[in-house]
Amino acid sequence: QSVLTQPPSVSAAPGQKVTISCSGSSSNIGNNYVSWYQQLPGTAPKLLIYDNNKRPSGIPDRFSGSKSGTSATLGITGLQTGDEADYYCGTWDSSLSAAVFGGGTQLTVL
Amino acid sequence: QITLKESGPTLVKPTQTLTLTCTFSGFSLSTSGVGVGWIRQPPGKALEWLALIYWNDDKRYSPSLKSRLTITKDTSKNQVVLTMTNMDPVDTATYYCAHTLLITSSWDWFDPWGQGTLVTVSS
Repeated sequence: QSVLTQPPSVSAAPGQKVTISCSGSSSNIGNNYVSWYQQLPGTAPKLLIYDNNKRPSGIPDRFSGSKSGTSATLGITGLQTGDEADYYCGTWDSSLSAAVFGGGTQLTVL
Repeated sequence: QITLKESGPTLVKPTQTLTLTCTFSGFSLSTSGVGVGWIRQPPGKALEWLALIYWNDDKRYSPSLKSRLTITKDTSKNQVVLTMTNMDPVDTATYYCAHTLLITSSWDWFDPWGQGTLVTVSS
């Protein structure tokens, strides 16, 4: 059971937009930065978003992040079949003194 | 360019101790703010953070696994070693190491990650 709650799966058509939610509490998302990771099948996770809404160099602006209170959201526009992957949110939990990840969301581009 | 690579046994027996090595390039663990973390992922399951070590030898462990984990660094070899005692079949997972920077007082992100190494625990 993950500390951060994500929907197990989301789906949308190519070219459309999708959002993935990550719900936590005041001890984690509420008071710490959120990062998002993309894990393509059979590969290692890759950083997509850090500090809630910043994109590392090389990440297209189709990917965006936001945070409000104790929840965070990853948005992906202009969906491509190559975006099919598992997406994870992560943050620090100040009560646990631990880095925590969500349970992951599988994105299907129909 | 920062790269990391995990190495260690692919098969361990129950009750044995696992020792994994993360060998990295493109950064130094003697540089202020730099850190390396370990994360694992059981087959078909989610990511689970295990441990972190920073340039100043500050070490942080997953509370649920703290009694079984030890993380150390060898700055001269550009390596970080994770040991996990009393291995069990439920510890079967792909183990990743990853680079991080201490920006706030805790942890903010991992980037990049190593390719991972699959460790199977079985008699």
